[in-house]
Amino acid sequence: GQNIDQPTEMTATEGAIVQINCTYQTSGFNGLFWYQQHAGEAPTFLSYNVLDGLEEKGRFSSFLSRSKGYSYLLLKELQMKDSASYLCAVGHTGRRALTFGSGTRLQVQP
Amino acid sequence: ETGVTQTPRHLVMGMTNKKSLKCEQHLGHNAMYWYKQSAKKPLELMFVYNFKEQTENNSVPSRFSPECPNSSHLFLHLHTLQPEDSALYLCASSQKEGALREKLFFGSGTQLSVL
Repeated sequence: GQNIDQPTEMTATEGAIVQINCTYQTSGFNGLFWYQQHAGEAPTFLSYNVLDGLEEKGRFSSFLSRSKGYSYLLLKELQMKDSASYLCAVGHTGRRALTFGSGTRLQVQP
Repeated sequence: ETGVTQTPRHLVMGMTNKKSLKCEQHLGHNAMYWYKQSAKKPLELMFVYNFKEQTENNSVPSRFSPECPNSSHLFLHLHTLQPEDSALYLCASSQKEGALREKLFFGSGTQLSVL
């Protein structure tokens, strides 16, 4: 089966850096996605990792370690608009769709 | 705007009602999905359609009945629901079916309340 764990809630300060962790246990791993979801809105794609290492995209970076079953999303220079839920999702060979974690609700404070 | 439109945005229904949720994608994708999102729970996959054919039913109760008349439209027909079915129902699409590097595009969802 598949199991994905991420913290339920986090709080950070505007301008700071925050790291949101995700651990997973799965067979046939084939990539990890991060999505952002503002309250009442559609989840939107942030990043995709399939190889070990860091992928940087502006203020957001995502890291993957396949041997450890571990990923993190790093948000720099936090802005108030970054307050949202961040969903970790894993792709598996042989499955027809992604499996999602419960999401981490990030609150950015002034 | 993600290119995936869901209607209605909000729906309140009694347990004996019949209603339908609609999803339309304008992205030229071939795969469409229904997910259920309950508070503090992971997104749960319900159904997958690929080129209008249902390819996965994730043990969903028969009171949820999907329909995919073409690759751009997806419906979820609801009847005799239970209060525990209250949730946000999200539609998504992708270029191809599957979880292999396929980025999902989500609609904003229908917030369903069953009384």
